Amino acid sequence: AQTVTQSQPEMSVQEAETVTLSCTYDTSESDYYLFWYKQPPSRQMILVIRQEAYKQQNATENRFSVNFQKAAKSFSLKISDSQLGDAAMYFCAYVRPGRSNYQLIWGAGTKLIIKP
Amino acid sequence: NAGVTQTPKFQVLKTGQSMTLQCAQDMNHEYMSWYRQDPGMGLRLIHYSVGAGITDQGEVPNGYNVSRSTTEDFPLRLLSAAPSQTSVYFCASSPDFWNNEQFFGPGTRLTVL
Repeated sequence: AQTVTQSQPEMSVQEAETVTLSCTYDTSESDYYLFWYKQPPSRQMILVIRQEAYKQQNATENRFSVNFQKAAKSFSLKISDSQLGDAAMYFCAYVRPGRSNYQLIWGAGTKLIIKP
Repeated sequence: NAGVTQTPKFQVLKTGQSMTLQCAQDMNHEYMSWYRQDPGMGLRLIHYSVGAGITDQGEVPNGYNVSRSTTEDFPLRLLSAAPSQTSVYFCASSPDFWNNEQFFGPGTRLTVL
């Protein structure tokens, strides 16, 4: 069965610095998608970034970028120039394509604290 | 566009009571799903639907029923509430099944006494 592991329950970073959140997953599939979602105190889940497994190039979205290591099954999120608004729970998620058995598998989350 | 809406935002039930959590989306998305979120855990899939009239079980379906009579609505029914069902419930929708963003509702915090 597929699993997603976030080994850091909590991380803190000084405002304007860079922080990396780790995520590892277990799968025997070769084609899949990976996501990072952000959940601020408002509880609203927001997509941060997505990565397609067949693409070697790491995805980037402004200050957010990933380090995707397919062989190592690792998918870390780097946040550059951290801002107070980045404080939230961050969840890593995996999905295997397939209409008949679609399922998004989630990690337990990492709480990110931004120190002013 | 209202996006994904959920009602109610908060609910307290007694053990054994039944209720329906409402979810609606106005984006004409085919895929809809229900998750529960418990402290220290990621979201766990309860049920999902790939289109009107089609539903399937997720990881933790016991104690819950769903139906999808229209594209817009995907209600979640708790048949006989138990304290183990105390959780925050999220509904989500997506135009596709894997590679597109899932749009989440604001969640319903349910407490079962």
